[in-house]
Amino acid sequence: DAKTTQPNSMESNEEEPVHLPCNHSTISGTDYIHWYRQLPSQGPEYVIHGLTSNVNNRMASLAIAEDRKSSTLILHRATLRDAAVYYCILRDEAPGTYKYIFGTGTRLKVLA
Amino acid sequence: DAGVTQSPTHLIKTRGQQVTLRCSPKSGHDTVSWYQQALGQGPQFIFQYYEEEERQRGNFPDRFSGHQFPNYSSELNVNALLLGDSALYLCASRLRAGNTIYFGEGSWLTVV
Repeated sequence: DAKTTQPNSMESNEEEPVHLPCNHSTISGTDYIHWYRQLPSQGPEYVIHGLTSNVNNRMASLAIAEDRKSSTLILHRATLRDAAVYYCILRDEAPGTYKYIFGTGTRLKVLA
Repeated sequence: DAGVTQSPTHLIKTRGQQVTLRCSPKSGHDTVSWYQQALGQGPQFIFQYYEEEERQRGNFPDRFSGHQFPNYSSELNVNALLLGDSALYLCASRLRAGNTIYFGEGSWLTVV
Protein backbone atom coordinates (compact mmCIF):
# COMPACT_ATOMS: atom_id res chain seq x y z
CA ASP A 1 0.00 0.00 0.00
CA ALA A 2 1.24 3.45 -0.85
CA LYS A 3 1.88 5.70 2.13
CA THR A 4 2.17 9.40 2.83
CA THR A 5 4.42 11.43 5.10
CA GLN A 6 3.31 14.70 6.67
CA PRO A 7 4.70 16.96 9.41
CA ASN A 8 3.05 16.27 12.74
CA SER A 9 2.06 19.88 13.33
CA MET A 10 2.17 23.36 11.84
CA GLU A 11 1.20 26.83 12.95
CA SER A 12 -0.15 29.75 11.00
CA ASN A 13 -1.34 33.24 11.74
CA GLU A 14 -4.92 34.07 10.98
CA GLU A 15 -5.57 35.45 7.49
CA GLU A 16 -2.19 34.30 6.22
CA PRO A 17 -1.67 31.55 3.61
CA VAL A 18 -0.80 28.06 4.79
CA HIS A 19 1.12 25.47 2.82
CA LEU A 20 0.70 21.91 4.10
CA PRO A 21 3.20 19.51 2.53
CA CYS A 22 2.83 15.80 1.85
CA ASN A 23 5.35 13.30 0.54
CA HIS A 24 4.18 10.19 -1.27
CA SER A 25 7.30 8.85 -2.93
CA THR A 26 5.82 5.39 -3.59
CA ILE A 27 2.76 6.70 -5.41
CA SER A 28 1.61 4.67 -8.39
CA GLY A 29 0.29 6.01 -11.64
CA THR A 30 -3.32 5.31 -10.71
CA ASP A 31 -3.28 6.76 -7.18
CA TYR A 32 -5.39 9.85 -6.65
CA ILE A 33 -4.22 12.27 -3.96
CA HIS A 34 -6.99 13.25 -1.56
CA TRP A 35 -6.98 15.71 1.31
CA TYR A 36 -9.37 15.54 4.18
CA ARG A 37 -9.48 17.48 7.41
CA GLN A 38 -10.88 16.50 10.76
CA LEU A 39 -12.12 19.01 13.27
CA PRO A 40 -12.28 17.98 16.93
CA SER A 41 -14.98 15.41 17.65
CA GLN A 42 -16.08 15.23 14.01
CA GLY A 43 -15.63 12.85 11.12
CA PRO A 44 -13.14 13.67 8.35
CA GLU A 45 -14.32 16.28 5.87
CA TYR A 46 -13.40 16.23 2.18
CA VAL A 47 -11.18 19.14 1.11
CA ILE A 48 -9.81 18.47 -2.36
CA HIS A 49 -8.34 15.79 -4.61
CA GLY A 50 -6.29 15.49 -7.77
CA LEU A 51 -4.35 13.13 -10.00
CA THR A 52 -1.75 15.05 -11.96
CA SER A 53 -2.79 18.66 -12.44
CA ASN A 54 -3.11 21.38 -9.84
CA VAL A 55 -6.65 21.79 -8.57
CA ASN A 56 -8.60 24.65 -7.03
CA ASN A 57 -11.92 24.74 -5.22
CA ARG A 58 -13.67 27.04 -2.80
CA MET A 59 -11.85 25.57 0.17
CA ALA A 60 -8.27 25.22 -1.00
CA SER A 61 -5.78 24.61 -3.77
CA LEU A 62 -3.79 21.45 -4.39
CA ALA A 63 -0.37 21.71 -5.99
CA ILE A 64 1.02 18.40 -7.27
CA ALA A 65 4.69 17.99 -8.11
CA GLU A 66 5.53 17.05 -11.66
CA ASP A 67 6.86 13.65 -10.58
CA ARG A 68 3.82 13.24 -8.29
CA LYS A 69 6.01 12.24 -5.37
CA SER A 70 4.81 15.18 -3.31
CA SER A 71 1.91 17.60 -3.07
CA THR A 72 0.97 20.72 -1.13
CA LEU A 73 -2.40 21.76 0.18
CA ILE A 74 -2.74 25.54 0.14
CA LEU A 75 -5.20 27.41 2.33
CA HIS A 76 -5.14 30.92 0.93
CA ARG A 77 -6.26 32.73 4.07
CA ALA A 78 -6.31 30.69 7.25
CA THR A 79 -9.13 31.31 9.69
CA LEU A 80 -9.60 30.00 13.22
CA ARG A 81 -12.15 27.54 11.82
CA ASP A 82 -9.39 25.94 9.74
CA ALA A 83 -7.70 24.58 12.86
CA ALA A 84 -7.90 20.83 12.35
CA VAL A 85 -5.91 17.70 11.52
CA TYR A 86 -5.24 17.58 7.79
CA TYR A 87 -4.78 14.19 6.15
CA CYS A 88 -3.10 13.57 2.83
CA ILE A 89 -4.39 10.26 1.50
CA LEU A 90 -3.72 8.07 -1.47
CA ARG A 91 -6.64 6.22 -2.92
CA ASP A 92 -5.90 3.10 -4.89
CA GLU A 93 -7.82 3.08 -8.13
CA ALA A 94 -6.98 -0.51 -9.03
CA PRO A 95 -10.07 -2.56 -9.94
CA GLY A 96 -11.83 -4.00 -6.94
CA THR A 97 -10.02 -1.81 -4.44
CA TYR A 98 -11.24 1.35 -2.81
CA LYS A 99 -9.71 2.07 0.53
CA TYR A 100 -8.11 5.17 1.94
CA ILE A 101 -4.80 4.84 3.75
CA PHE A 102 -4.62 7.51 6.41
CA GLY A 103 -1.43 8.56 8.16
CA THR A 104 -1.37 10.55 11.37
CA GLY A 105 -1.92 13.84 9.53
CA THR A 106 -0.76 17.39 10.25
CA ARG A 107 -2.33 19.21 13.15
CA LEU A 108 -2.78 22.83 12.05
CA LYS A 109 -2.93 25.49 14.71
CA VAL A 110 -4.17 28.93 13.66
CA LEU A 111 -3.12 31.83 15.82
CA ALA A 112 -5.40 34.85 16.21
CA ASP B 1 -29.86 16.34 1.52
CA ALA B 2 -28.93 14.24 4.53
CA GLY B 3 -25.32 13.36 4.95
CA VAL B 4 -23.95 10.12 6.36
CA THR B 5 -25.67 9.36 9.66
CA GLN B 6 -24.42 6.99 12.32
CA SER B 7 -25.88 5.61 15.52
CA PRO B 8 -25.37 5.49 18.38
CA THR B 9 -23.06 8.45 18.86
CA HIS B 10 -21.59 7.14 22.09
CA LEU B 11 -21.73 3.83 23.88
CA ILE B 12 -19.97 1.92 26.63
CA LYS B 13 -19.56 -1.85 26.59
CA THR B 14 -17.87 -4.42 28.79
CA ARG B 15 -15.06 -6.70 27.66
CA GLY B 16 -16.39 -9.82 25.98
CA GLN B 17 -19.65 -8.22 24.93
CA GLN B 18 -20.82 -7.65 21.39
CA VAL B 19 -21.72 -4.35 19.75
CA THR B 20 -23.61 -3.29 16.62
CA LEU B 21 -23.09 0.10 15.02
CA ARG B 22 -25.33 1.47 12.31
CA CYS B 23 -24.84 3.69 9.30
CA SER B 24 -27.14 5.32 6.74
CA PRO B 25 -25.24 6.50 3.68
CA LYS B 26 -25.56 9.86 2.01
CA SER B 27 -28.59 10.06 -0.25
CA GLY B 28 -27.91 8.36 -3.57
CA HIS B 29 -24.77 6.58 -2.37
CA ASP B 30 -24.54 2.81 -2.69
CA THR B 31 -21.12 1.95 -1.31
CA VAL B 32 -20.31 1.98 2.39
CA SER B 33 -16.99 1.56 4.16
CA TRP B 34 -16.06 1.44 7.83
CA TYR B 35 -13.00 2.83 9.57
CA GLN B 36 -11.64 2.57 13.09
CA GLN B 37 -9.88 5.59 14.58
CA ALA B 38 -7.96 5.16 17.81
CA LEU B 39 -7.17 8.22 19.87
CA GLY B 40 -4.42 10.30 18.25
CA GLN B 41 -4.29 8.13 15.14
CA GLY B 42 -5.64 8.38 11.64
CA PRO B 43 -8.61 6.24 10.62
CA GLN B 44 -7.86 2.63 9.66
CA PHE B 45 -9.87 0.87 6.95
CA ILE B 46 -11.94 -2.07 8.21
CA PHE B 47 -13.99 -3.11 5.18
CA GLN B 48 -16.20 -1.95 2.35
CA TYR B 49 -19.64 -3.08 1.22
CA TYR B 50 -21.28 -2.82 -2.17
CA GLU B 51 -24.35 -4.67 -3.44
CA GLU B 52 -24.75 -6.22 0.01
CA GLU B 53 -21.38 -7.95 -0.16
CA GLU B 54 -18.06 -7.32 1.52
CA ARG B 55 -15.78 -6.22 -1.31
CA GLN B 56 -12.55 -5.42 0.43
CA ARG B 57 -11.19 -5.89 3.92
CA GLY B 58 -8.43 -4.30 5.93
CA ASN B 59 -6.21 -5.96 8.52
CA PHE B 60 -8.88 -6.65 11.12
CA PRO B 61 -9.77 -9.97 12.77
CA ASP B 62 -12.93 -11.94 12.07
CA ARG B 63 -14.45 -10.52 15.24
CA PHE B 64 -15.26 -7.54 13.03
CA SER B 65 -18.10 -8.28 10.65
CA GLY B 66 -20.61 -6.27 8.74
CA HIS B 67 -23.71 -6.24 6.68
CA GLN B 68 -25.27 -4.07 4.01
CA PHE B 69 -29.02 -3.94 3.50
CA PRO B 70 -30.99 -3.46 0.26
CA ASN B 71 -31.49 0.22 1.12
CA TYR B 72 -27.67 0.55 1.24
CA SER B 73 -27.55 1.12 4.99
CA SER B 74 -24.94 -0.87 6.87
CA GLU B 75 -24.05 -2.36 10.22
CA LEU B 76 -20.70 -3.03 11.83
CA ASN B 77 -20.61 -5.82 14.39
CA VAL B 78 -17.77 -6.47 16.79
CA ASN B 79 -17.79 -9.64 18.90
CA ALA B 80 -15.82 -10.52 22.02
CA LEU B 81 -14.89 -6.90 22.67
CA LEU B 82 -11.40 -6.09 23.87
CA LEU B 83 -10.20 -2.97 25.65
CA GLY B 84 -8.23 -2.16 22.50
CA ASP B 85 -11.43 -1.92 20.50
CA SER B 86 -12.17 1.39 22.18
CA ALA B 87 -12.16 3.91 19.35
CA LEU B 88 -14.17 6.15 17.10
CA TYR B 89 -15.86 4.10 14.39
CA LEU B 90 -16.46 5.99 11.18
CA CYS B 91 -18.76 5.13 8.35
CA ALA B 92 -18.15 6.58 4.89
CA SER B 93 -20.24 6.39 1.74
CA ARG B 94 -19.79 7.14 -1.94
CA LEU B 95 -21.31 6.59 -5.31
CA ARG B 96 -19.99 3.41 -6.93
CA ALA B 97 -18.41 5.44 -9.73
CA GLY B 98 -17.64 8.43 -7.58
CA ASN B 99 -14.29 9.92 -6.65
CA THR B 100 -15.02 11.12 -3.16
CA ILE B 101 -16.16 9.49 0.03
CA TYR B 102 -18.13 11.27 2.71
CA PHE B 103 -17.77 10.47 6.39
CA GLY B 104 -20.29 10.46 9.18
CA GLU B 105 -19.62 11.93 12.61
CA GLY B 106 -18.77 8.51 14.00
CA SER B 107 -19.72 6.32 16.92
CA TRP B 108 -17.54 6.54 20.01
CA LEU B 109 -17.11 3.08 21.56
CA THR B 110 -15.59 2.68 24.99
CA VAL B 111 -14.83 -0.84 26.24
CA VAL B 112 -14.35 -1.17 29.99
